[in-house]
Amino acid sequence: QKEVEQDPGPLSVPEGAIVSLNCTYSNSAFQYFMWYRQYSRKGPELLMYTYSSGNKEDGRFTAQVDKSSKYISLFIRDSQPSDSATYLCASSGNTGKLIFGQGTTLQVKP
Amino acid sequence: SAVISQKPSRDICQRGTSLTIQCQVDSQVTMMFWYRQQPGQSLTLIATANQGSEATYESGFVIDKFPISRPNLTFSTLTVSNMSPEDSSIYLCSGKTPNTGELFFGEGSRLTVL
Repeated sequence: QKEVEQDPGPLSVPEGAIVSLNCTYSNSAFQYFMWYRQYSRKGPELLMYTYSSGNKEDGRFTAQVDKSSKYISLFIRDSQPSDSATYLCASSGNTGKLIFGQGTTLQVKP
Repeated sequence: SAVISQKPSRDICQRGTSLTIQCQVDSQVTMMFWYRQQPGQSLTLIATANQGSEATYESGFVIDKFPISRPNLTFSTLTVSNMSPEDSSIYLCSGKTPNTGELFFGEGSRLTVL
């Protein structure tokens, strides 16, 4: 079992839709959770960073962590074609080593 | 956020040669890491670059193949040695900031081995 699991998609939605991206993890020691956005031929860009359980909101993006179920989510409201990218979840414990999910490819159609 | 610069951004190399990738961060980071992203895949950690000492390698990666240096807090190099087509990949440098613990990435170095 991979330490961080993520459905690779692809996920295709119409413009304006609410997008839900999800990951699960297996290591109870993980405390730091991040979501990255990666456009084609670019490096990963940090979108959201969450410590422990709870919600964090930044504009159209909301990150949720449920440590009891080891479930990580990213919600995108009012999705735009410019949101089309690969979204990577990642988790780490105190070692600082990030373990990445496989990435979900999202396409938002105008 | 930290700004991380990598060079070269891309290169095409011949089998059996070696290539060194440089990584420069604009502010001091506590930890620096090197990742590999193979085509269509996610990121795999190669090693943690330790300042002034030998890097810490993950399972499946060895120093002879991927020698790493970090002479100071803001600079690191990764060498891909004796390259084969299987080494064709994107190599990414990352740095962890001390206050928030966030991990930032460079744009990556896209390597093609013929």
